[in-house]
Amino acid sequence: AQSVTQLGSHVSVSEGALVLLRCNYSSSVPPYLFWYVQYPNQGLQLLLKYTSAATLVKGINGFEAEFKKSETSFHLTKPSAHMSDAAEYFCAVIYSGGYQKVTFGTGTKLQVIP
Amino acid sequence: EAGVTQFPSHSVIEKGQTVTLRCDPISGHDNLYWYRRVMGKEIKFLLHFVKESKQDESGMPNNRFLAERTGGTYSTLKVQPAELEDSGVYFCASSLHQGVSDEQYFGPGTRLTVT
Repeated sequence: AQSVTQLGSHVSVSEGALVLLRCNYSSSVPPYLFWYVQYPNQGLQLLLKYTSAATLVKGINGFEAEFKKSETSFHLTKPSAHMSDAAEYFCAVIYSGGYQKVTFGTGTKLQVIP
Repeated sequence: EAGVTQFPSHSVIEKGQTVTLRCDPISGHDNLYWYRRVMGKEIKFLLHFVKESKQDESGMPNNRFLAERTGGTYSTLKVQPAELEDSGVYFCASSLHQGVSDEQYFGPGTRLTVT
């Protein structure tokens, strides 16, 4: 079955440090890729999406992700973590022919240490 | 503009009981989706409505789950009878169109606990 893998269920970074959240997908055909964020007691919010245009995608709140076909990866980065970035982040894909059926990773909780 | 709303936010029921979850999509959004996250696992797709019709219900776990969207506005997801493994967070999402690049807007979820 096609899937998406997020490495690390919990990631801790210091405030001001680089944020790197890893995501790999399983498909020989590049899917459509997304990163969502869930703040406490809120719904999932779309951070950014890749739909076969530019491989470097910029999203909201200073986050960006790079699609690397050779590595089947779509890692999420932010140069400098802020306390408000503490949340759970989900990588997600829509595979070709999957219409709007989103397949999610297991999520990564980001802790930002002051 | 109001976002996707879900009711209740939390529900605790005993095994064998019935629970109905409600989702109100963003006004005008024809597409409505249900997802579920069992503790510690990934969020999984349950089904997709286009207006009042079920476009894709391949993710529904079994026939104890019944989703409806009468009139093409709000949707309900009924679990009858509930089992322990049904515990989790149930998310609803809506989108204006069905295109892959059309953003799905998610509600805050309903946390269901079956004891």
